[in-house]
Amino acid sequence: QKEVEQDPGPLSVPEGAIVSLNCTYSNSAFQYFMWYRQYSRKGPELLMYTYSSGNKEDGRFTAQVDKSSKYISLFIRDSQPSDSATYLCAMMDSSYKLIFGSGTRLLVRP
Amino acid sequence: DAGVTQSPTHLIKTRGQHVTLRCSPISGHKSVSWYQQVLGQGPQFIFQYYEKEERGRGNFPDRFSARQFPNYSSELNVNALLLGDSALYLCASSSVDGSQYFGPGTRLTVL
Repeated sequence: QKEVEQDPGPLSVPEGAIVSLNCTYSNSAFQYFMWYRQYSRKGPELLMYTYSSGNKEDGRFTAQVDKSSKYISLFIRDSQPSDSATYLCAMMDSSYKLIFGSGTRLLVRP
Repeated sequence: DAGVTQSPTHLIKTRGQHVTLRCSPISGHKSVSWYQQVLGQGPQFIFQYYEKEERGRGNFPDRFSARQFPNYSSELNVNALLLGDSALYLCASSSVDGSQYFGPGTRLTVL
């Protein structure tokens, strides 16, 4: 079993939809949780960084962490075609080594 | 401020050769990590350096090595290249809160 599980998609939604992306994990030592956006053949771009259970909002993005269920989510409101990319969840324990999910490919249709 | 920079952008090598990839972190960041990303997968951790000391090593063979210089830039070296080493190699620099910012990557093709 992988430490971090993420549905590869692709997830196709119409423009303006609310997108929900999710990851589950097995290692209870993970303390820090990140979401990255990666466009084709580019480096990952950090979107959200949280280290506690609950919600964190930044513009159209909301990150949610539920440590008791070992489940994290990223919500994108008012999705735009420019949001079409691969979204990677990543987690870290005190070692500062990031463990990534395999990524979910998102397509926002105009 | 400039983000993380990596060179070269692309590289083509043949099996058995060695390669050196370079990374400059964000100004003020003292930690650099290296990741390998193969197509369709998330990045996999290779090394982390902090203040020129190795702080972590992933599950990669000894053909992979790295170092960090006094100016916090870093090199990743891979010897005896295999076809399976073809991947996007990513460098990330860490801020004091642990968040990691990635560079554009070096795409290595081994023929």
